[in-house]
Amino acid sequence: GENVEQHPSTLSVQEGDSAVIKCTYSDSASNYFPWYKQELGKRPQLIIDIRSNVGEKKDQRIAVTLNKTAKHFSLHITETQPEDSAVYFCAASRWDSNYQLIWGAGTKLIIKP
Amino acid sequence: EAQVTQNPRYLITVTGKKLTVTCSQNMNHEYMSWYRQDPGLGLRQIYYSMNVEVTDKGDVPEGYKVSRKEKRNFPLILESPSPNQTSLYFCASSSAGTAFYEQYFGPGTRLTVT
Repeated sequence: GENVEQHPSTLSVQEGDSAVIKCTYSDSASNYFPWYKQELGKRPQLIIDIRSNVGEKKDQRIAVTLNKTAKHFSLHITETQPEDSAVYFCAASRWDSNYQLIWGAGTKLIIKP
Repeated sequence: EAQVTQNPRYLITVTGKKLTVTCSQNMNHEYMSWYRQDPGLGLRQIYYSMNVEVTDKGDVPEGYKVSRKEKRNFPLILESPSPNQTSLYFCASSSAGTAFYEQYFGPGTRLTVT
């Protein structure tokens, strides 16, 4: 079955710098890749997602890139701000698995002032 | 207001005492799911439901039961809780009968089994 690995587990960056979180997946048939953000004590919320028919998607300061050949996808956050501090989860899914999401273990992003 | 609600939010119980965590959504979503979140392990799916009367096992179903008698409700049942079920539990729902769209999470239920 699908396996999703997420790195790093903790990432500390200076405010204003960029942050990159990477996930690799094992099932080449996976075709949907969302990213969720979970602030301390809160519920996970979708921040961006990408389907396998595109290589990149942007939404203001966040972007996701997908490399289907290498089976990895990455979250890019530019001009980081204190409110970006949170745990970020990636996930992967395929249409013929009842769309079951397989989640990465999460990355704790710390923005240093 | 569109939302997913869970009750209770916090629960401390003893080994073997049956409990139910309720989940309800008011968005008319077909897809509902239960996750547990443990440090370093991320979110692991327990059970999910594609629609009323349709449920299926996720990655860690042992020790749990679910039912989907109504579209809006998806309770999680622990018939005989054990300490290894101490965790943070999230219910989630999604439209279009799949998880291929945004999943809306409930606020979480922190369960401690002693």
